Amino acid sequence: KNQVEQSPQSLIILEGKNCTLQCNYTVSPFSNLRWYKQDTGRGPVSLTIMTFSENTKSNGRYTATLDADTKQSSLHITASQLSDSASYICVVSGRNTDKLIFGTGTRLQVFP
Amino acid sequence: EAQVTQNPRYLITVTGKKLTVTCSQNMNHEYMSWYRQDPGLGLRQIYYSMNVEVTDKGDVPEGYKVSRKEKRNFPLILESPSPNQTSLYFCASSPDPPSSYNEQFFGPGTRLTVL
Repeated sequence: KNQVEQSPQSLIILEGKNCTLQCNYTVSPFSNLRWYKQDTGRGPVSLTIMTFSENTKSNGRYTATLDADTKQSSLHITASQLSDSASYICVVSGRNTDKLIFGTGTRLQVFP
Repeated sequence: EAQVTQNPRYLITVTGKKLTVTCSQNMNHEYMSWYRQDPGLGLRQIYYSMNVEVTDKGDVPEGYKVSRKEKRNFPLILESPSPNQTSLYFCASSPDPPSSYNEQFFGPGTRLTVL
């Protein structure tokens, strides 16, 4: 069964610190992996999209990595800010499919 | 401004009273989709549409209907809402299906409560 699992479920860090969120997937054959940021009560917003051949992609202070062999991805947030408080969702698409498979997200809280 | 809009943003209704949640995008996207989001379950796809007059079931289609008569609009219809349809609903669109490299844009969400 195609699944996407994220860890940890929740995370609390202090402003200015770095953190890394994990995503493991079983989707096969793989097409692409996306990381979304979702503020409470709002729609998800895309951070990065990576295909099989990409193993690192950055968007400002956000850096995503992908290991297609082990089916793992991570999202690293550098020098966290209060505005980084949100849920971060890992989403995977398989080849030859019209659907996205969503993880349940990691809820990040950044405190001053 | 390129965007996906949904209306209403909040809705409280009673069991059995038909309702429609509208979704519109101004980016000329071919692919549109509806999701529901419940605590601890993540987003689950209800229905999607590859183009005008082409719709297909997602993972949780029971109790919902959709139509795609125009490219920009993709309404979600609940013919007889029930309390288990209380949820946060998102419409999304993208130029192509998710297996492509294109970004999917989400609307602001509709919070539905069925009493």
